[in-house]
Amino acid sequence: TQLLEQSPQFLSIQEGENLTVYCNSSSVFSSLQWYRQEPGEGPVLLVTVVTGGEVKKLKRLTFQFGDARKDSSLHITAAQPGDTGLYLCAGANTGFQKLVFGTGTRLLVSP
Amino acid sequence: SQTIHQWPATLVQPVGSPLSLECTVEGTSNPNLYWYRQAAGRGLQLLFYSVGIGQISSEVPQNLSASRPQDRQFILSSKKLLLSDSGFYLCAWSPGQGGQPQHFGDGTRLSIL
Repeated sequence: TQLLEQSPQFLSIQEGENLTVYCNSSSVFSSLQWYRQEPGEGPVLLVTVVTGGEVKKLKRLTFQFGDARKDSSLHITAAQPGDTGLYLCAGANTGFQKLVFGTGTRLLVSP
Repeated sequence: SQTIHQWPATLVQPVGSPLSLECTVEGTSNPNLYWYRQAAGRGLQLLFYSVGIGQISSEVPQNLSASRPQDRQFILSSKKLLLSDSGFYLCAWSPGQGGQPQHFGDGTRLSIL
């Protein structure tokens, strides 16, 4: 069974701070996705990384896929209250219909 | 563009009552469809998925069932709800080929009294 562990589980920071969320597995994935979910809503796809070592930037968010395609990180620069939410990583395998979702990281950014 | 609709947004039901949650997708054909349950502030638990009409795969043994009567319609049902069925239920779709990102509805908050 493939598992994705996220750390930390919960993070509470002040506006303007930087943070990194990690998504780790012992399994290889063909791609990895990051989602953000706000309370009472469904998760929204932020990015998909496909190539080992790939780095993608989305404004203040930087996503990296590990060289071995077993892990990923999300770095947020100068966090803002609007970044508050649950961040989920999800691993995908070509030809498989299901995703493997991570355990989630709850981020709270206070003004 | 593709859209996914899920209803109702909130539901309060007594123990032992039946359940029917509906999800429909527009703007795409032959999508994969998924039902998830999420505990407060936690990750997603896959309940059922479907790759075509009438094709349902169950991930977790429970008193819930799913059906796909039409290509873009996915229904989650129960004959008798338990207290443990309370939670946030999410429907999602993805393109038919495997390994694609999923797109979620806004969820149904189900409370069992």
